[in-house]
Parts: sequence; structure tokens; C-alpha cells
Amino acid sequence: EAGVTQSPTHLIKTRGQQATLRCSPISGHTSVYWYQQALGLGLQFLLWYDEGEERNRGNFPPRFSGRQFPNYSSELNVNALELEDSALYLCASSGGRGQPQHFGDGTRLSIL
Amino acid sequence: GNSVTQMEGPVTLSEEAFLTINCTYTATGYPSLFWYVQYPGEGLQLLLKATKADDKGSNKGFEATYRKETTSFHLEKGSVQVSDSAVYFCALTGGSTLGRLYFGRGTQLTVWP
Repeated sequence: EAGVTQSPTHLIKTRGQQATLRCSPISGHTSVYWYQQALGLGLQFLLWYDEGEERNRGNFPPRFSGRQFPNYSSELNVNALELEDSALYLCASSGGRGQPQHFGDGTRLSIL
Repeated sequence: GNSVTQMEGPVTLSEEAFLTINCTYTATGYPSLFWYVQYPGEGLQLLLKATKADDKGSNKGFEATYRKETTSFHLEKGSVQVSDSAVYFCALTGGSTLGRLYFGRGTQLTVWP
């Protein structure tokens, strides 16, 4: 069974640009979660999508947004990139609330 | 609110030594508890879980017991190997967490041969 897949593996952008990160969940999982892992800040919750709807949002500005498609895959969009957005962005999926979340290998976003 | 407090690292051990990484939590309701491991350059892998009080999660020689009375979920392994070198994260979800995982800050473990 394929795990959570994320693309691209690495993404290099400059300040002010926009970035799109993609995630495909494990087959049968309807919930997708996004986390940011920035150096020295630990793992910060960004967004939770379930059945195509945004269910919960972490303490991030509105320029972080996303969506979930009918096939349960998801995109994370970051507009007006800032240097401090440089981080590893991790996507996870689960089969329901309280179930373990399974993570992809992440997208490394670097802002120059 | 919900939070996880995890033993600060780094932890350095010799091969075959005993490992304990302390984790305590604060949560409303009845959370599920997890340990995740992150190897260099990779995402997080679920190591073990426990969903109710007194449950013991175990995997690959690692164990942790859900202690409601002490709000703890300490990770232990009797004999570590060089291949166990990684960052370990304690996490919780459920109850009133609205789906998200709350993570500890992570503990870097290095095992020397």
C-alpha cells in the first residue's frame, strides 16, 4: 500500500513569490493535515481538511491556504513568501479523528 | 489547553544501553498518545500508540505506557542500537484537539557503537 506522497521534494523560491505544495493521502484516508517544521520551532499545525472541507486552522496568517480535492488529495498554497517560511512542510493523512496520522517525507521549501 | 512536554535532548548513549525519554501531557478529555520517530532527511514515522489509560504501546523493542494518574507516556527501550539514532516526538490527539496533533519539541538520540 502506498504511503502519503508529497511533491515536490524541494522547492526554491524568492521573497514575494507564491508556492504550491501537493499531497496525496493513503488510499481510503479522507483527512489530510499540514504541518510546518521550521528550525528551532518544532512542529506547528497548519491546516486540517476532511471530506473536502477545512476543519481546523493553526495560528498562521491568511497567506497560508489550501484545499482538498474530491479524490482527497490536497494542496497547500503560500502567497507572498517571506524568508521565515523556509521550512520542511509535512503532510499527514488519517482514517478519522483520533486515528494515527501517517506522514509523508515532506517538501523542503527554501526562500532566497 | 492541550500541550506535550518532552525531555530536552540531545541524548547520547552507547549501544545496548537502556533508553528513557520522558513525556508528560496536558489535555482535556481523553486523548490518544503517540510516539513518532524522524530519521535524517525523512518525514515522521509512527512508532507506537496508546488510546486509553493503562494501554501499553510497543514496536521494534520500544514501549510506552499511558499513565493517566501521572499524565505521562514515557518511551523506553532496553537495549538501543546505532540504527535507533533519530529524533523522537511525543504527541497527542483526540478529546478537544479538533483533529490536530500536539507535538513535544522532540528529543535527538545519538547511539554510539
